[in-house]
Order: sequence, then structure tokens, then C-alpha cells
Amino acid sequence: QITLKESGPTLVKPTQTLTLTCTFSGFSISTSGMGVGWIRQPPGKAPEWLAVIYWDDDKRYSPSLRSRLTITKDPSKNQVLLTMTNMGPVDTATYFCAHAPDAAAGIWFDPWGQGTLVTVSP
Amino acid sequence: SYALTQAPSVSLAPGQTARITCERDNIGSKTVHWYQQRPGQAPVLVVFADSDRPSGIPERFSGSNSGNTATLTISRVEAGDEADYYCQVWNTSRVLFGGGTKLTVL
Repeated sequence: QITLKESGPTLVKPTQTLTLTCTFSGFSISTSGMGVGWIRQPPGKAPEWLAVIYWDDDKRYSPSLRSRLTITKDPSKNQVLLTMTNMGPVDTATYFCAHAPDAAAGIWFDPWGQGTLVTVSP
Repeated sequence: SYALTQAPSVSLAPGQTARITCERDNIGSKTVHWYQQRPGQAPVLVVFADSDRPSGIPERFSGSNSGNTATLTISRVEAGDEADYYCQVWNTSRVLFGGGTKLTVL
């Protein structure tokens, strides 16, 4: 059974850098075909994809946020980290990590973590 | 930009069939995935690769994709199906989500 859980600050100030950790179990990100993605969802809005990292260290980023994002993995700890620089109020959202199998049919996410609400406020 | 258009809401009585659409020019050339999100919960994958069901998802959930429209069909709607539903594709090196459809079971 695959499970994921997000952790990190619940409140950040404008201009600060956000670092989130996704800790997972039930798979190894060193195994061929495995990946982890990050998705955020502002209150009352649709999900927005941020980034994904794969077993071979292939990384993909949202074009609109690429300059602010870095995704890395630590297979020894079963963790994937996401950093987002220069946070602003519009970045207030629930941030999810999710298992992303590397498939010929493209990217999908299954399952998702429970999510963590990050609020950006002075 | 490559936007995915979903109707904001659909309302049905229990036992009816819900058809939730995701529209975009030539979406049939893409692979579409669908998620269910109940209030206060994380999204759950209910259909992937246009029409495949993950294990544990009832057969009442099915998907199709052709032309300019992808469709998630929920047969014999139940109260527990009340949720937001989102379509998702991979297009030109980015993941896109639709705006979501809120399914209300009357």
C-alpha cells in the first residue's frame, strides 16, 4: 500500500522561501518507473500542478512557476522535497504530494497525500 | 494556453447517470485522467488513461475520450458520489487540470 504525507510550515511571510517535505512508503523512488509529484490547490479552486521527479532524476516543472521551484529526492529517507522561492499571498493553498507512475500514457497521480495548508501572510 | 473546460455543476437524483465532460479542441489526441474530491479530502483517481479504473473504484465509473470531448460517466449515482470531479491531461511538458465539476446528488 502506497502512502504519502506532506510536512512543512503552515505559515510563511511574503518573500520567504517555502520548503515542503513529502515522506512516502510502499515504494522506492529508486525503482524504475516511480515518481512523485507536487500539486497545490488554492481554497475553492482547481488543483494546479507544480513539479514531478522520477526514479532516474528526470524533473519536470510547471512553466509558469519554473523559476521559483526546485524538486529533489532523498531515496535513503523515502522523501521528496519541494522549495518555492519568493512566496506571496497568491501562493496560499493546500499543497499535496502524490505518487506519479512513469507511464507511456503520460502523468497521473495516485494516490495523493492528505495535503498541508500553507498560508502566506505578514 | 491549453485550457480544459468543465461545466461548473451538475445535479442528479440517486439512480440516475451522471455524464461529466471535459472539453478542448482535439482532446481525443491526449490521454485524460479523472479525479474525485470530496469536501475536505484529497483528490482520488477514479479513471486513468481515458477509460481504465484503478483497483477499488466501482465499475459504475467509466471514461471515454474522442474528438473534442472527454467524458466521465457515473452510473446509478449514489449520495456518496457527491463531490468535485476534475479532468487532467499531460500536454506539451506540463500537467493541466480542468476547472472542476461539482456533482450534487439531490
